[in-house]
Amino acid sequence: KQEVTQIPAALSVPEGENLVLNCSFTDSAIYNLQWFRQDPGKGLTSLLLIQSSQREQTSGRLNASLDKSSGRSTLYIAASQPGDSATYLCAVRSFDYKLSFGAGTTVTVRA
Amino acid sequence: DTAVSQTPKYLVTQMGNDKSIKCEQNLGHDTMYWYKQDSKKFLKIMFSYNNKELIINETVPNRFSPKSPDKAHLNLHINSLELGDSAVYFCATHWGNEQFFGPGTRLTVL
Repeated sequence: KQEVTQIPAALSVPEGENLVLNCSFTDSAIYNLQWFRQDPGKGLTSLLLIQSSQREQTSGRLNASLDKSSGRSTLYIAASQPGDSATYLCAVRSFDYKLSFGAGTTVTVRA
Repeated sequence: DTAVSQTPKYLVTQMGNDKSIKCEQNLGHDTMYWYKQDSKKFLKIMFSYNNKELIINETVPNRFSPKSPDKAHLNLHINSLELGDSAVYFCATHWGNEQFFGPGTRLTVL
């Protein structure tokens, strides 16, 4: 059974600082890995998706890396802004289509 | 122009009642899911339907019954609600490699 862990559970940084969010998973036989953003009381917004054959994906200030063999992914957010405050969820898709989520990292960017 | 919509957004009800949550998608995707997010923020898959057929059914009590009248809808009916059913329920669709989530329904059982 796939288990996904996200560390740290919460993070508070001053505006402008770079953010590093970690995700680890126990079963390296994954189809892909997806990073989501969840705002309080809202649904999930997909940020980046990395296929199992890829090492990283970039979108604007966001960069996600994937090391499948060690079961890890890292989401980097450059030059953080108060609008980046949210909970970031990592989700791993296995070959049976199931998506396993971590508990998320709650980020607060202080102005 | 909401891609995945859920109704209601909030649902407060007494223990023992029966309630339904509706999900509709206008993306034309074949696969739809129900997830439960508990108080610890963990999202867990409950059910998955592909073209109105059940393909994933996790260990969910029989009190939960999904119904897909057509490809664009996946409703969740819950019988005899219990306190532990309080959570946020998310509907999602799947296309290619990505999942698209609805805004969630916050269910509170008193």
